[in-house]
Amino acid sequence: QKEVEQNSGPLSVPEGAIASLNCTYSDRGSQSFFWYRQYSGKSPELIMSIYSNGDKEDGRFTAQLNKASQYVSLLIRDSQPSDSATYLCAARGSGGYQKVTFGTGTKLQVIP
Amino acid sequence: DAGVIQSPRHEVTEMGQEVTLRCKPISGHDYLFWYRQTMMRGLELLIYFNNNVPIDDSGMPEDRFSAKMPNASFSTLKIQPSEPRDSAVYFCASSLLGTYTGELFFGEGSRLTVL
Repeated sequence: QKEVEQNSGPLSVPEGAIASLNCTYSDRGSQSFFWYRQYSGKSPELIMSIYSNGDKEDGRFTAQLNKASQYVSLLIRDSQPSDSATYLCAARGSGGYQKVTFGTGTKLQVIP
Repeated sequence: DAGVIQSPRHEVTEMGQEVTLRCKPISGHDYLFWYRQTMMRGLELLIYFNNNVPIDDSGMPEDRFSAKMPNASFSTLKIQPSEPRDSAVYFCASSLLGTYTGELFFGEGSRLTVL
């Protein structure tokens, strides 16, 4: 079992719709979770981080964390063609050191 | 700050040759990570350092891979001998990680092609 799992997609949504991206993790002791966006041929860049159960909103993005279910999600409202990219979920492991593990990513396509 | 700097950006080599990838982390960051990205396996953690000390190298695929961090501003990932299956994009990332915070800042990556 991979430590962080995501559906590889592609996930296609029409422009203006809500895109919902999901992620599960296996290390129950993980404390910090991140969503990175990666455009084709570029490096990953952080768009959201979340540490507590519940929702965290930043502009059009909302991250949701449910530690009991070991589930993290990212909602993108009013999706734009410029949101088309691969979205990587990451978890920081438990313990004294800070191993950061990524899922394989979900490719999002926003159709104009 | 200039960000994480990796070199070379592109490397094409023949099977059996030695490859050295270089990384300069962001000044003041205390963690450095090496990742490998392929279409099939995604972004895999190879090794990471804390204050120049290797903490976990369990992701290094085999003995042909080695990594060093001789000081806080420089790290290398070496593959010797290289094989076609090593072809991938290798990312270096650095971070200043507290208990709950800590964003990884990635370099632009080194695209390796082994013929």
